[in-house]
Amino acid sequence: GEDVEQSLFLSVREGDSSVINCTYTDSSSTYLYWYKQEPGAGLQLLTYIFSNMDMKQDQRLTVLLNKKDKHLSLRIADTQTGDSAIYFCASGEGGSYIPTFGRGTSLIVHP
Amino acid sequence: GAGVSQSPSNKVTEKGKDVELRCDPISGHTALYWYRQSLGQGLEFLIYFQGNSAPDKSGLPSDRFSAERTGGSVSTLTIQRTQQEDSAVYLCASSTTRQGHQPQHFGDGTRLSIL
Repeated sequence: GEDVEQSLFLSVREGDSSVINCTYTDSSSTYLYWYKQEPGAGLQLLTYIFSNMDMKQDQRLTVLLNKKDKHLSLRIADTQTGDSAIYFCASGEGGSYIPTFGRGTSLIVHP
Repeated sequence: GAGVSQSPSNKVTEKGKDVELRCDPISGHTALYWYRQSLGQGLEFLIYFQGNSAPDKSGLPSDRFSAERTGGSVSTLTIQRTQQEDSAVYLCASSTTRQGHQPQHFGDGTRLSIL
């Protein structure tokens, strides 16, 4: 089945850019998602990208998709302490109703 | 309400007891999912509902776990004869029905602790 991999931790300084990476195995993945989970809360959908796109920008967030390498990244510009959270990558395949989630990347932002 | 609602938010119970966890999805969302998140772990898929039926319950860990959904709305996850390894956060999510594109809306979860 589909496998989605993420590094577990990322530490950045406040004001720097953060880049969280994700790789997936299913070349038929059609939709790719980024979710944010703050302590004690559920997952919140941040953004998503369709497989026919290379890039999507939404304010401080930039998503890049390299379909050939099956690599997805989330860049957060001017990272703030409020961005500290766990970020999950997920992929959805065209014929499925159930997305596959990565294990999440803990982003720690320090002053 | 506007979002997915789960209750209780916290549940502490003794080993061997049964527990019921409730999920109230966003109105009109026909798809409903249950996940389990253990400390430091990612999301473990448990079961998926489309309306009142469960086309995929492959993630339920054992026959102590069951779930139902009524009226195409509220869902209940039941764990019988709880064990300490059942301690986790149980998350519910809902989405509109569409193959492939399933942006999910999550509740804040039920934090279950088995003593």
